[in-house]
Amino acid sequence: DTGVSQDPRHKITKRGQNVTFRCDPISEHNRLYWYRQTLGQGPEFLTYFQNEAQLEKSRLLSDRFSAERPKGSFSTLEIQRTEQGDSAMYLCASSGGGDTYQETQYFGPGTRLLVL
Amino acid sequence: AQTVTQSQPEMSVQEAETVTLSCTYDTSESDYYLFWYKQPPSRQMILVIRQEAYKQQNATENRFSVNFQKAAKSFSLKISDSQLGDAAMYFCALQGGSEKLVFGKGTKLTVNP
Repeated sequence: DTGVSQDPRHKITKRGQNVTFRCDPISEHNRLYWYRQTLGQGPEFLTYFQNEAQLEKSRLLSDRFSAERPKGSFSTLEIQRTEQGDSAMYLCASSGGGDTYQETQYFGPGTRLLVL
Repeated sequence: AQTVTQSQPEMSVQEAETVTLSCTYDTSESDYYLFWYKQPPSRQMILVIRQEAYKQQNATENRFSVNFQKAAKSFSLKISDSQLGDAAMYFCALQGGSEKLVFGKGTKLTVNP
C-alpha cells in the first residue's frame, strides 16, 4: 500500500492560466475527497467522489473548478482562469474499500498552488 | 451547520511532559466520528486517533488518548511523554451526516527539549 499520492507537489502559475492537479488514492479505496487549505487554517471540503460519481460539492467549488474521477481510480481537479485567491494547498484524501475503519480518510502530501 | 472550535492557537510542552489540546464541536447528528490529525511542517496530514460518538470508552493509541465528553461536545487530545517528533499542527475534525470532514483551525504544538 503506497498511500495517497498527488502530482505536482508544487505549481506556480500566472493569473488567468488553467491548472490541473492529479490524485491517486490508496488502491481499492472507493471514496476520494478534495480539500483546500489556506495558510493558518484547517482544510476545507471541496468535493467528494464515490467510485466515479461526484456525490457532494461545496459552495467553495465555483464554476471555475471542475473535478473528475473518470474510472473510479485517480482524480483530477482543474482550476480555470486562476485568481490570486486560489493560492492554497490542495489536499486529496481517500477512504473506504477493505479498510476496517471505512470512514477514516487518509491524506496525500498536497499540491501547493501559487498564483502570481 | 457543523462546527469545530480549537481555542488554543499555540501550545508548548517540555519533552517527556504531558499536554492536552482542546476541541469543542457542534452537530445535530446523533451518529458521528471525531478525529485528531497531525500535520508536521511541510509534511502531509496523518491520523492520530479516532473516536466513534456511540462509544462511551475513550480512544487510546499508545501515548495519545482522548477525553470525549459527548454531552459537553468536547473532544480533547492528551499527549503523554511528549517527544520532539510530536511538534506539529494538530487539527480536530468532525464527520457526521455526510462524508466530508469539518476541521478546526488547528493548534500549533511546540515541544521544548
